[in-house]
Amino acid sequence: EADIYQTPRYLVIGTGKKITLECSQTMGHDKMYWYQQDPGMELHLIHYSYGVNSTEKGDLSSESTVSRIRTEHFPLTLESARPSHTSQYLCASSEESPWEYQETQYFGPGTRLLVL
Amino acid sequence: KQEVTQIPAALSVPEGENLVLNCSFTDSAIYNLQWFRQDPGKGLTSLLLIQSSQREQTSGRLNASLDKSSGRSTLYIAASQPGDSATYLCAALSNFGNEKLTFGTGTRLTIIP
Repeated sequence: EADIYQTPRYLVIGTGKKITLECSQTMGHDKMYWYQQDPGMELHLIHYSYGVNSTEKGDLSSESTVSRIRTEHFPLTLESARPSHTSQYLCASSEESPWEYQETQYFGPGTRLLVL
Repeated sequence: KQEVTQIPAALSVPEGENLVLNCSFTDSAIYNLQWFRQDPGKGLTSLLLIQSSQREQTSGRLNASLDKSSGRSTLYIAASQPGDSATYLCAALSNFGNEKLTFGTGTRLTIIP
């Protein structure tokens, strides 16, 4: 079972503040992902990484940025938070499977962000 | 572009009954179809993964089937229990420039004791 952690779990912050959502995993997984999920809606991929120094944007346009300096960490940063950023942010990781397309993504508990 | 749909959005079932959750996808060129469980305020837990070449996968009381040609998958839960109450999400792994999971909006399942 993979261990993947997200902090903070809940964050209430004012408009214009800079925030960083932390995500870390202890399984040595190369692939990591950030999803955004609004209540009752599907998850949308906003960023992913296939390894150190690799970051790509997902399908949903996001004003956030990510970095991957270490395998275990994949932080997400919003330079200037706005009410439209209010959502749940889920981090996930997966490892390369010896069997093609058998990769399972392991999810963290999520961060619920409220921007006032 | 892949689209994944789950109907119904919510379902209530008495404890002990068997039930089926439905998932449909628009593009049959998938690598696999995955089912997840999400409890309130928590992340997702992987339940079953069906390869595109497979027809079904089983884990305990759960059985997932896949019909690529019709763009459908079902999750069958036998002898439902109150602990099964959660939101169930299906996701299709496709390749549109990159391999990625496209999620449905989920079915919120409530098992009535």
